[in-house]
Amino acid sequence: NAGVTQTPKFQVLKTGQSMTLQCAQDMNHEYMSWYRQDPGMGLRLIHYSVGAGITDQGEVPNGYNVSRSTTEDFPLRLLSAAPSQTSVYFCASSHRSPDQPQHFGDGTRLSIL
Amino acid sequence: GNSVTQMEGPVTLSEEAFLTINCTYTATGYPSLFWYVQYPGEGLQLLLKATKADDKGSNKGFEATYRKETTSFHLEKGSVQVSDSAVYFCALSEWGGNEKLTFGTGTRLTIIP
Repeated sequence: NAGVTQTPKFQVLKTGQSMTLQCAQDMNHEYMSWYRQDPGMGLRLIHYSVGAGITDQGEVPNGYNVSRSTTEDFPLRLLSAAPSQTSVYFCASSHRSPDQPQHFGDGTRLSIL
Repeated sequence: GNSVTQMEGPVTLSEEAFLTINCTYTATGYPSLFWYVQYPGEGLQLLLKATKADDKGSNKGFEATYRKETTSFHLEKGSVQVSDSAVYFCALSEWGGNEKLTFGTGTRLTIIP
């Protein structure tokens, strides 16, 4: 059982480049989300999805796009990378209920030069 | 809006010491409360949860009690081990809202032999 799989684990980009962070889950979870983790700030929600074809913005959505064409996959796109987007990114998934724990991937460490 | 305030770190303890990490919250409804743990280089894992007032969550010797009167969910362990060294996050999600998690800033715990 793979759980939540994120790729790549590490990435270095130049300012202005674009890239997609991949996230896949095999638990048939309806809810998926992306967070960024920065020192002293905990985890902040970027975007989330409650099911295929449905996405919405979280706390810090600017500079990021998402789509949810299947239940399993929830990619995060950086359109034009900026140094402020240097962070560790986590994807999470859960069943649709606020008392259900979220399952996290191992993260993508992204550096923007 | 919702918010979570947790004890500033880092916290350093000797093995077998008693641990308390404080967590208080602000929520407009009736939240579910969680403690997540992050070991070095990994994603977050659920440590324990409580979904209503006076519930006690427990796992791996850790405990936390949902105190509605003090809006708190403090994490405790009677005798810590070196393997408990990690970053601990308090979080909430709210009934009637959605599955979005609001996190505290995290507390880094180091246990020395």
